[in-house]
Amino acid sequence: ETGVTQTPRHLVMGMTNKKSLKCEQHLGHNAMYWYKQSAKKPLELMFVYNFKEQTENNSVPSRFSPECPNSSHLFLHLHTLQPEDSALYLCASSQTGALNTEAFFGQGTRLTVV
Amino acid sequence: TQLLEQSPQFLSIQEGENLTVYCNSSSVFSSLQWYRQEPGEGPVLLVTVVTGGEVKKLKRLTFQFGDARKDSSLHITAAQPGDTGLYLCAGGRWEGAQKLVFGQGTRLTINP
Repeated sequence: ETGVTQTPRHLVMGMTNKKSLKCEQHLGHNAMYWYKQSAKKPLELMFVYNFKEQTENNSVPSRFSPECPNSSHLFLHLHTLQPEDSALYLCASSQTGALNTEAFFGQGTRLTVV
Repeated sequence: TQLLEQSPQFLSIQEGENLTVYCNSSSVFSSLQWYRQEPGEGPVLLVTVVTGGEVKKLKRLTFQFGDARKDSSLHITAAQPGDTGLYLCAGGRWEGAQKLVFGQGTRLTINP
């Protein structure tokens, strides 16, 4: 398996549920990212992990909790979400240590909060 | 806040026509990337431009980075239905890891 893999592809959850999104990259990269893509809005950077350390939290509400156990895996733990959190959540990875490195995206998890 | 303005947001043209998509910002970026995204999929990188004035060609697609590294354009020659998709530009900034600021996207439809 190659590239960046996200699971699940689709998720429907109630506002009181707790769920987790998973991302795995097989590219040997050491930086991983969570992005949110909502309708009619640009892709928004949520979190950045560099060598397993969180280097950016882009003012994301605490109901989104990221976890990066190693450079190949990234999770996004979700709890007490709101309907406006429904969106496509995209994971990406890149190689640090070089300027202008390219980001590779997973296929995304389509999240619907009901 | 570094913003990228993409235009047009929607474009529907006939097969065989040419088109240009623009990506503009008041900020300078270290690189500019163009992605294409299909429905239900993640963005796929098409090209990265890093030098002011740089021009890159990918078959019928021509990408240009502005001299001041604040803007970019994507030109498609003789568009085909297979070119249909969402085109995203993203400005790169380096802060220990590559961080991308995305434009709103251009939804392109090529009609047979």
